[in-house]
Amino acid sequence: QKEVEQNSGPLSVPEGAIASLNCTYSDRVSQSFFWYRQYSGKSPELIMSIYSNGDKEDGRFTAQLNKASQYVSLLIRDSQPSDSATYLCAVTGGGNKLTFGTGTQLKVEL
Amino acid sequence: EAQVTQNPRYLITVTGKKLTVTCSQNMNHEYMSWYRQDPGLGLRQIYYSMNVEVTDKGDVPEGYKVSRKEKRNFPLILESPSPNQTSLYFCASSLSMWRLGTEAFFGQGTRLTVV
Repeated sequence: QKEVEQNSGPLSVPEGAIASLNCTYSDRVSQSFFWYRQYSGKSPELIMSIYSNGDKEDGRFTAQLNKASQYVSLLIRDSQPSDSATYLCAVTGGGNKLTFGTGTQLKVEL
Repeated sequence: EAQVTQNPRYLITVTGKKLTVTCSQNMNHEYMSWYRQDPGLGLRQIYYSMNVEVTDKGDVPEGYKVSRKEKRNFPLILESPSPNQTSLYFCASSLSMWRLGTEAFFGQGTRLTVV
């Protein structure tokens, strides 16, 4: 079982819709959870972090964490073509590293 | 400006010719790491460093070396590059791996091709 799992996609949504990205993790002692956005050939950039159960909102982005079920999700409201990218879920906790999922490719269509 | 700087951005080299990719951060971060990114495999950690003179293997360390003589620098060394090391490499730094909220800041990436 992979430590951090994401559906590779592509996930296609129409412009203006809500995009929902999901991530599950295997290490129960994981403490910090991050969503990074990566455009093709570019470096990942942090868009959201969440540390406790529940929702965290920042502009059009909402991160949701459920530690009991070991999943974290990212909602993007009013999706724009510029949101088209690969979204990486990352987790820290047990061990000395930040573990990434393989990413979900999001396509926002006009 | 807070940043992680990698050099070079692009490199084409031949099998067996030693090379070094430099990484420098100006945020006084304790933790630095190297990742390689390959299609379908995501970001995989090569080596990491908790602080000066403290380094350890990540998930895919074979064929790589690192050093951490100063807090700001963390070079990646390929003593004898092979074609399977062709990849996109990222250096990253974090304040610490032991505190909540220690998100990683990434360098611009180095696209390495070994022929």
